[in-house]
Amino acid sequence: AQTVTQSQPEMSVQEAETVTLSCTYDTSESDYYLFWYKQPPSRQMILVIRQEAYKQQNATENRFSVNFQKAAKSFSLKISDSQLGDAAMYFCAYQSSTGTASKLTFGTGTRLQVTL
Amino acid sequence: GAVVSQHPSRVICKSGTSVKIECRSLDFQATTMFWYRQFPKKSLMLMATSNEGSKATYEQGVEKDKFLINHASLTLSTLTVTSAHPEDSSFYICSANRDSNQPQHFGDGTRLSIL
Repeated sequence: AQTVTQSQPEMSVQEAETVTLSCTYDTSESDYYLFWYKQPPSRQMILVIRQEAYKQQNATENRFSVNFQKAAKSFSLKISDSQLGDAAMYFCAYQSSTGTASKLTFGTGTRLQVTL
Repeated sequence: GAVVSQHPSRVICKSGTSVKIECRSLDFQATTMFWYRQFPKKSLMLMATSNEGSKATYEQGVEKDKFLINHASLTLSTLTVTSAHPEDSSFYICSANRDSNQPQHFGDGTRLSIL
């Protein structure tokens, strides 16, 4: 079974600064997907970024980028120019690409605070 | 706009009653939907995989008779919490994707409180 580990329960960043959230995972599969989801106080789950394991290039979405190290099974999220609206819980998630069931395995989450 | 709709958003009911939560895919057909449970300040834990036209696949430790799942159409899955007790109080959230290569879209969740 796959596992996802987020070792930072809480992080804090000043507005306009950069912060990196860590995520490691364990799998025996060679092809899979990795995600970062944001959950604000409203508890909606919002997709931030997605990485396909067969792609070496790190995914980017505006101020959000990842550092995907497949051999190390590491998938960190970098948030640049942090904004107050970035404050939320961030979950790293793994999804197998094999089979028809595409269930997600989540990490325990990192609560990000953004200060003025 | 939302592509997965979940209803109701909030339920408060007495112990012993049954509660049904609906999850709908709005603009795509979903042969598979997923039901998660989230305790306060915790992560999402997969409860079961809902399969259209067949039985749901439950994760280890999840009581099938307590959490009934029905996926009668390609756009609707329901989760019924039967004979609810206070310990069933939680945040329940569903998800679906257009196909297995696409990201999951989540409903807005249901906050269930059993008195």
